[in-house]
Amino acid sequence: DVKVTQSSRYLVKRTGEKVFLECVQDMDHENMFWYRQDPGLGLRLIYFSYDVKMKEKGDIPEGYSVSREKKERFSLILESASTNQTSMYLCASNRRIEGQPQHFGDGTRLSIL
Amino acid sequence: GNSVTQMEGPVTLSEEAFLTINCTYTATGYPSLFWYVQYPGEGLQLLLKATKADDKGSNKGFEATYRKETTSFHLEKGSVQVSDSAVYFCALSDRGSSNTGKLIFGQGTTLQVKP
Repeated sequence: DVKVTQSSRYLVKRTGEKVFLECVQDMDHENMFWYRQDPGLGLRLIYFSYDVKMKEKGDIPEGYSVSREKKERFSLILESASTNQTSMYLCASNRRIEGQPQHFGDGTRLSIL
Repeated sequence: GNSVTQMEGPVTLSEEAFLTINCTYTATGYPSLFWYVQYPGEGLQLLLKATKADDKGSNKGFEATYRKETTSFHLEKGSVQVSDSAVYFCALSDRGSSNTGKLIFGQGTTLQVKP
């Protein structure tokens, strides 16, 4: 079975801090994704990566950056955390083949105080 | 562009009732279609999928048929259980070489099943 592991289930940080969310997948998938999930807004794509060191902006990249130095790991970075970034963050991965399902981690519930 | 529209929730049913969650899509070509389920406090899990017109995906008593003529992929279950209470997401595969592997998700429909 595919395993996508997010480093923290719950995280509390302060406004202005630099925050790192880590995601690791064990199936050699080319694609990795970061979403945020908010009530009433569904899933919104922040960034995705289709190869090491490659990244593309999603629908809401402002205030975020990403890093993919190794194929199995995709990091989401909040450069200067703000309260409106309090949310559930979900990581996913899949093969870079059309029609492939994405496999999700359990999510990180991030609170910015 | 491609999009997915789901019926708004929450949907509240009694145990053993019949479930339908509507999903319609707009897309060029022939996308693959998916249903995901999210239990409280967890990530999304793939529930079922269909890759071409008239395909029926099924899993855990849930079914959905890819209907190209009505651009729909409605989720059904004959008899729901309390344990089916969750958020259900419909999704389609985006197209284009730069989008390979990307999915477009509906807003999600919350299902609550009461004993």
